[in-house]
This record gives sequence, structure tokens and C-alpha cells, in this order.
Amino acid sequence: AQSVAQPEDQVNVAEGNPLTVKCTYSVSGNPYLFWYVQYPNRGLQFLLKYITGDNLVKGSYGFEAEFNKSQTSFHLKKPSALVSDSALYFCAVSVNYGGATNKLIFGTGTLLAVQP
Amino acid sequence: KAGVTQTPRYLIKTRGQQVTLSCSPISGHRSVSWYQQTPGQGLQFLFEYFSETQRNKGNFPGRFSGRQFSNSRSEMNVSTLELGDSALYLCASSLGGGQTYEQYFGPGTRLTVT
Repeated sequence: AQSVAQPEDQVNVAEGNPLTVKCTYSVSGNPYLFWYVQYPNRGLQFLLKYITGDNLVKGSYGFEAEFNKSQTSFHLKKPSALVSDSALYFCAVSVNYGGATNKLIFGTGTLLAVQP
Repeated sequence: KAGVTQTPRYLIKTRGQQVTLSCSPISGHRSVSWYQQTPGQGLQFLFEYFSETQRNKGNFPGRFSGRQFSNSRSEMNVSTLELGDSALYLCASSLGGGQTYEQYFGPGTRLTVT
């Protein structure tokens, strides 16, 4: 069965420092990986995706993620954190079995707290 | 382009009642998916509709149903509400078709069952 793990419930980082939010996945087949962010009382906002190609994916708001097939990981990174980046971050996977699917399996979320 | 809209934003219902939630996707998007978000279970996939047909379904009881109209708008219905159905229900739209695309989420409908 497909699954996504976000091992950290919360990540604390000082403003201006680099940040990493970890994600590992378990799927059979080729994974399609996504990162979403959720602000309080809001829906999810798409940040970036990995479908195929370069292992380093760049997304919105200066975020990037690195796909590592051997470690089955897709960690979210940003070189310099902002206080406004404080939010709940979700990693998700979608598995394509040869047909289209938009069924996303989400991790449990990681709360990012950026201190000024 | 306007984003995904969901109505109503908030709902309070009594156990045993039924409820219908509505979702209007981004213009041109043909796939609509529904998710339930709760503190205990996190984000869980309910179902996906594409071209008025259910294409995927999650592990929810038959009390949860949905449909999609020819203009891609979608509704989900929950019958015989239970206290555990209290959740944020999120709708997401994407281009659909033969590839997997990123999904864009609406603000959600907060359902409270008393």
C-alpha cells in the first residue's frame, strides 16, 4: 500500500536560516510527488511537484525539493526562511498505474515555525 | 482565473441529518476530487470525478456520495450524519485527462455535526 511519512510534527527555524521539511514515501510504481502548504483556516496551496526529470524541483515562494529515489525521499527546502513561511506543510504522493489518477495520499503534516 | 470555490463555508447539522456540499472548479478543469480533513485522521481521499464519472474512490462508507455536472461543478452528499463526520471538507480541481496534474484546493467547508 502506498504511504507517505513526515517524521517531524514540528520544525523550528530562525528567520534567515535554511529550512528542511522531511518526507519519505512508499509506493509500488512510479511516484508523483507533491508539496502543499496550509495556512490557518485555509485550503491547501500547491508549492511544487516531481513527475519526472531533474531530481531538484523548484517551486513557489523560493521553495525547492529534492527527489531521491534510492532513499525514497522528497525533502522540502528553502535557503532562507521567512516568518511568513510559518504554516503546516503536507507531502503527498499519487501513483499512476498507466491511467490518470488524482488520488493523493498525504503525510500527516509538519508544522513549520519560523522565529524572528 | 478565479480559484476553486466551495459553498457553504460553514455548516452545523444534527446527527442523522444529511448535507450537500458544493464545489466549483477552476475554469477549464475537468477533474474534481474531494478530501476530508480531521485532526485524528489527517487528510483522506474521498473520491474523484472526471467528465461526470467517478474515477477513483477512497475507503469511506456508502453514506458519502458525490456527483459531477456537465459544467464540471461537483457536489458531495453525506447522509445520516454521525458525530465523526465533523471535519473540513476540501475540494480540489485539476485539468484531468490522461496525465496526473497538480490539484488546486478550495478553502473548504467546515462541517460540524452535533
